[in-house]
Amino acid sequence: SQQGEEDPQALSIQEGENATMNCSYKTSINNLQWYRQNSGRGLVHLILIRSNEREKHSGRLRVTLDTSKKSSSLLITASRAADTASYFCATELDYYGQNFVFGPGTRLSVLP
Amino acid sequence: EPEVTQTPSHQVTQMGQEVILRCVPISNHLYFYWYRQILGQKVEFLVSFYNNEISEKSEIFDDQFSVERPDGSNFTLKIRSTKLEDSAMYFCASSESTSGQSNEQFFGPGTRLTVL
Repeated sequence: SQQGEEDPQALSIQEGENATMNCSYKTSINNLQWYRQNSGRGLVHLILIRSNEREKHSGRLRVTLDTSKKSSSLLITASRAADTASYFCATELDYYGQNFVFGPGTRLSVLP
Repeated sequence: EPEVTQTPSHQVTQMGQEVILRCVPISNHLYFYWYRQILGQKVEFLVSFYNNEISEKSEIFDDQFSVERPDGSNFTLKIRSTKLEDSAMYFCASSESTSGQSNEQFFGPGTRLTVL
């Protein structure tokens, strides 16, 4: 698998349900970040979690990081139709400095 | 709120032509980046730039690509002789530099490049 690989590739849920997306990576990281991309638009930063942190919250978003398993999860609670987008995890590798490696993304569809 | 801007939003060019994609990073940021995203694929790192020189580049960033900060505000990506496979969305990003820490990268809205 590639560095920063999300699963599932696509997720379809009903409004109000929770959505969980996972990201796995292969090498040591400084931090891991989650981004959202609405179709054809730019990337919007959601959350940054550092390698010494285990969990972070921001509004309806909850991110966990397990460095022993080299994995992270993004949970969106009480999803809304406006959450429909692609979600990417990006890992900042500790030997590359500030350059990110993006996964292929999870396409989330929230149905009204 | 400060933001990264990119122009044009869409560029159409003929194969073999030169294109310049422009970005205005956030004014107090010191690190600048270009990424590309081929339609339906993941975002790929191209190059990072700091203190008026390239600090890191990927294997995608070959001799056809160059970057420049021609003045205090613009950051440009030039593709010398475009190929069909250069068609993609190109994102500029910038981050504030703080010694010993990593920082959030702020992304622009992207320029869609179409090579015919």
